[in-house]
Parts: sequence; structure tokens; C-alpha cells
Amino acid sequence: GQQVMQIPQYQHVQEGEDFTTYCNSSTTLSNIQWYKQRPGGHPVFLIQLVKSGEVKKQKRLTFQFGEAKKNSSLHITATQTTDVGTYFCAGPRDYGGSQGNLIFGKGTKLSVKP
Amino acid sequence: GAGVSQSPSNKVTEKGKDVELRCDPISGHTALYWYRQSLGQGLEFLIYFQGNSAPDKSGLPSDRFSAERTGGSVSTLTIQRTQQEDSAVYLCASSLGYRDQVEPQHFGDGTRLSIL
Repeated sequence: GQQVMQIPQYQHVQEGEDFTTYCNSSTTLSNIQWYKQRPGGHPVFLIQLVKSGEVKKQKRLTFQFGEAKKNSSLHITATQTTDVGTYFCAGPRDYGGSQGNLIFGKGTKLSVKP
Repeated sequence: GAGVSQSPSNKVTEKGKDVELRCDPISGHTALYWYRQSLGQGLEFLIYFQGNSAPDKSGLPSDRFSAERTGGSVSTLTIQRTQQEDSAVYLCASSLGYRDQVEPQHFGDGTRLSIL
């Protein structure tokens, strides 16, 4: 069945270091979304990418959508303690039923040492 | 405006009891989703409602789990004869569903369910 995989599962960095998480889909995606869940919180939508090869930036965060629309990455430059949390990617669930559903990756948990 | 509201925020119950979890979506959102998240784990999809369409129940783990959505708004997730492995945070999300693309989901704070 359809799968969305994220690596690494965990990442521990020193504050100020860069961080990257990768998302790989078993199928071509029409779009990809990224969410962040702080410890003890709920997932919060960060961004959506739609176009092949698209790159979007939000301050220190850079999101990329692969040319084949099967992979994506989130890169954080110079991590801060406020970046701590789990980052999830999600793509449209691919089945013949109703549209509007997402399949989530298992997430990458980022910890930042001050 | 108001976000997705879930109640109760915490629920402790004895094994074998039934529980009902409630979700109030964002006004105007036609799509509603339930997920389960065990400690330190990812999001396990349970069920998806979209407008008047038949719900996608493909994620429900057993027939002890059911959900309904009344009037296209409030949803209730019911777990019958609870088991200890049902202990988790149950998250509800809502969205505008599908327009040109799958719309982003907005999550509630969740209900933390503990089965003794």
C-alpha cells in the first residue's frame, strides 16, 4: 500500500547546528504538507508545496519538493531551542474513494541542546 | 476565530467501560478526521468524514471503535469495552477538505485517554 517514510526518526543537535529531515513517498504526490508538533502539543500546519522542484522559505526553515514529486525535505538553519518538536510530512492519501484525506509520515523528532 | 475543540481533555476509565470523545470542528470546515497517537509515536489515522459522503472508516482498528458526525458538524468517537492498549491521545482535525488540492488540517488539543 501507499507509504510515506521519514528519516531520520530522531535527531539530536547542538544549538546553532543545521538540521534536515527527509520525506519519501512510494507514489507521486500532487502536493506535500509539513506539520510541527511541539512536545505536549498538537500538530500545526507549516506549509504546503505543490509544484515540482518547488522551494519555499520561512525564516530559517527551507522546504523543498522533489522534481519527481515523490520526495521532500525540510532544512532548518542554525537551530534554536524553539525548534524542538516532531516534524511530520503528509501527502494526499491515494485511493479510489473520497478525496481530501492525508497520509502522514511517522515524523522526525528533533531535540536541541542549548 | 475558534479552533477545533475537543472534550474532555483527559479521560480516565476502567477497562471494559465505554467512552465517548467529542470534537467540535472549525465552523465551515466540511472535512473532519480522527487520529490516535500513542506516546512518542506518529499519527494513526482512524476515520474521515467529508460532507455528506460515506465516511472512510478504513483506519478503525476494531469493531469496538465507531464514530458519527451529526449535522455535518460535531463528531463523537466511541470506544466500547475499552482495553488498556486503547490508552493514547485521540486527536481530531478539521479542514476545508478538497478544493484544488487537499486542504491543510487544523488539529484540536486532543483527549488523553487512560485505561486502568
